[in-house]
Amino acid sequence: DAKTTQPPSMDCAEGRAANLPCNHSTISGNEYVYWYRQIHSQGPQYIIHGLKNNETNEMASLIITEDRKSSTLILPHATLRDTAVYYCIVRAYNAGGTSYGKLTFGQGTILTVHP
Amino acid sequence: DTEVTQTPKHLVMGMTNKKSLKCEQHMGHRAMYWYKQKAKKPPELMFVYSYEKLSINESVPSRFSPECPNSSLLNLHLHALQPEDSALYLCASSQDDEGSIRAFFGQGTRLTVV
Repeated sequence: DAKTTQPPSMDCAEGRAANLPCNHSTISGNEYVYWYRQIHSQGPQYIIHGLKNNETNEMASLIITEDRKSSTLILPHATLRDTAVYYCIVRAYNAGGTSYGKLTFGQGTILTVHP
Repeated sequence: DTEVTQTPKHLVMGMTNKKSLKCEQHMGHRAMYWYKQKAKKPPELMFVYSYEKLSINESVPSRFSPECPNSSLLNLHLHALQPEDSALYLCASSQDDEGSIRAFFGQGTRLTVV
C-alpha cells in the first residue's frame, strides 16, 4: 500500500473550515484514500473514503486531486469535538484476498480546534 | 447496532498471569482484527480473521494468541507478557468487501503489565 505524508499538527478556530492535507504521491490506480480519526482514548472512527471523485457525507468532504497524488479532508464547520488525530490511509482495492481491512496507519495529523 | 464491544476496558496483569481480551460485534461482519497501540503512536495491525480463519499474523509473538470462536466473537489470549506489551488493544470489524473497507473499531482495552 502507498505511503502517506501528513503534517504533524494543525490548528483551527471553532466554526471555521478545517482543511487537512495528505500527500500520497506513489498511489496506484487501484488504491482508495481513506480517512479515519481518533479522539483521545477512543478507537479510530471512519470518516470518508474515495477513489478519484470528490466525496461528501454528513461528516466531511474529500477532495482528491486529478493526478490522485494528494487529497484534502474538509470539515466544513469545525467544533471542539473535532479535536482528534486524523489519519489518511491508502489501501488497494481487491488486494489479492489477503489484506482484508489491513489498514496501515501513519503518524496522522493532530487537529486542535480552538474556541 | 453498529458497535464493536470490547471487554474489559482496563486490565492490569502480572507477567506470570494468563488473561483474555474479548471483542464482540453483531453487524454480520466476516472480518475481524486486533490492533495494538502504544502511547502517542498509531495503531499497528496484529491479526486479521476472515470467515473465522486467521488470514494475517503480523509476526506477533506467541505470547499473544488470537481465537475466533464464531463470526461475532474475537478473543485475544495473553500469557507471560512483558511490561513493554502495555498498550491499548483495539478490535475492529468490517464487511467482507475488498472494494471498500469501512472498519468499525471498539473503544479498546487498556492493558498494563506489571
